[in-house]
Amino acid sequence: DAGVIQSPRHEVTEMGQEVTLRCKPISGHDYLFWYRQTMMRGLELLIYFNNNVPIDDSGMPEDRFSAKMPNASFSTLKIQPSEPRDSAVYFCASSFGGSGRLEQYFGPGTRLTVT
Amino acid sequence: QQQVKQSPQSLIVQKGGISIINCAYENTAFDYFPWYQQFPGKGPALLIAIRPDVSEKKEGRFTISFNKSAKQFSLHIMDSQPGDSATYFCAASNSNYQLIWGAGTKLIIKP
Repeated sequence: DAGVIQSPRHEVTEMGQEVTLRCKPISGHDYLFWYRQTMMRGLELLIYFNNNVPIDDSGMPEDRFSAKMPNASFSTLKIQPSEPRDSAVYFCASSFGGSGRLEQYFGPGTRLTVT
Repeated sequence: QQQVKQSPQSLIVQKGGISIINCAYENTAFDYFPWYQQFPGKGPALLIAIRPDVSEKKEGRFTISFNKSAKQFSLHIMDSQPGDSATYFCAASNSNYQLIWGAGTKLIIKP
């Protein structure tokens, strides 16, 4: 299996621009998680989906952030408009709830820099 | 009550030594305690995990010790190697498939 795939790996954008991060979970996994990692705040859960349905979005920092999962193979995290404080590494992770295991498989991350 | 407190923030250990990272939690409903390892430029990856029905779990050089009454668990890395240098995260869950993460420990193994 190719693992969790994220794109782009690096994104540099100017303040005010729209940013879209993409994730392809591992085939067969029914849970998908979006995280943000910074030195100051560590690893923060932004939102997670089960069977393409958002379950908990309480970690989404502001209305500027939105996430969608139109099908089991694809999810997006959008920031509009972006701000310098959004600069971070964004990770997507997936897991298979049916096994009873909670192991989350992380993608390589997208490093976002907003100037 | 949802927090997981991890210490130390950073740790330097000589090659061959024992690395110990500690975590504490408050929520007694937590029933799954994993440790993740993250190398620079990579996403975290599951290293080892434990359920509260056992007090210790060992996989190779990595051991989780779990103290249910104290609500604490720790990761021990025996015979630490330079390749173990990474950031380690503890986490906890109450089976709703959401992990509550510790702040991370940056481990450096000196050759």
